[in-house]
Amino acid sequence: AQSVSQHNHHVILSEAASLELGCNYSYGGTVNLFWYVQYPGQHLQLLLKYFSGDPLVKGIKGFEAEFIKSKFSFNLRKPSVQWSDTAEYFCAVNAPHSGGYQKVTFGIGTKLQVIP
Amino acid sequence: GAVVSQHPSWVICKSGTSVKIECRSLDFQATTMFWYRQFPKQSLMLMATSNEGSKATYEQGVEKDKFLINHASLTLSTLTVTSAHPEDSSFYICSAPAMVSGRARGNEQYFGPGTRLTVT
Repeated sequence: AQSVSQHNHHVILSEAASLELGCNYSYGGTVNLFWYVQYPGQHLQLLLKYFSGDPLVKGIKGFEAEFIKSKFSFNLRKPSVQWSDTAEYFCAVNAPHSGGYQKVTFGIGTKLQVIP
Repeated sequence: GAVVSQHPSWVICKSGTSVKIECRSLDFQATTMFWYRQFPKQSLMLMATSNEGSKATYEQGVEKDKFLINHASLTLSTLTVTSAHPEDSSFYICSAPAMVSGRARGNEQYFGPGTRLTVT
């Protein structure tokens, strides 16, 4: 079964600082990778996704993530964070499930707090 | 983008009673919907996959008789927590995959806002 681990559970940054959130997954086959964001009081929204092709994917609001297959990693980055980036970020992997459908497994989430 | 709604957003019930949570896809059809549960400071855990017109598929460890799922139409799935107990208190989230020409689009999912259940 696949699993997702996020290394940083709570990150506090000042505005304009650079961000990198780690995500590693375990699954031997082909996977789809996602980062979701949950702003305070709102529901989960897709930030970016990787299916195939260029391993460096760009998402909304200046976020990007790099898929490194050899490291089973999909780290999220942003060169300069803003106060409005304060949210919880979830890494997720989508892989075939024994039940014959695709199953999404989420990481535990990382709470990002950006200080003005 | 596609919108998924949940009702109610927050419910308090007494131990032993049953609670029904609705998940609706507002502007698209969803033959499949997913139900997740999120405990405080933990990740979303997939509980079951709801399939329109057929039985739901439950994840290992999830009691199908306790968490009844009904996917009666292409836009509505319901989760009923039967004989609720305080340990069932949690945040329940549903999602539906984006559909294109009747097929899930890359398994990208749209999430509902969640339902917070508190059992006293």
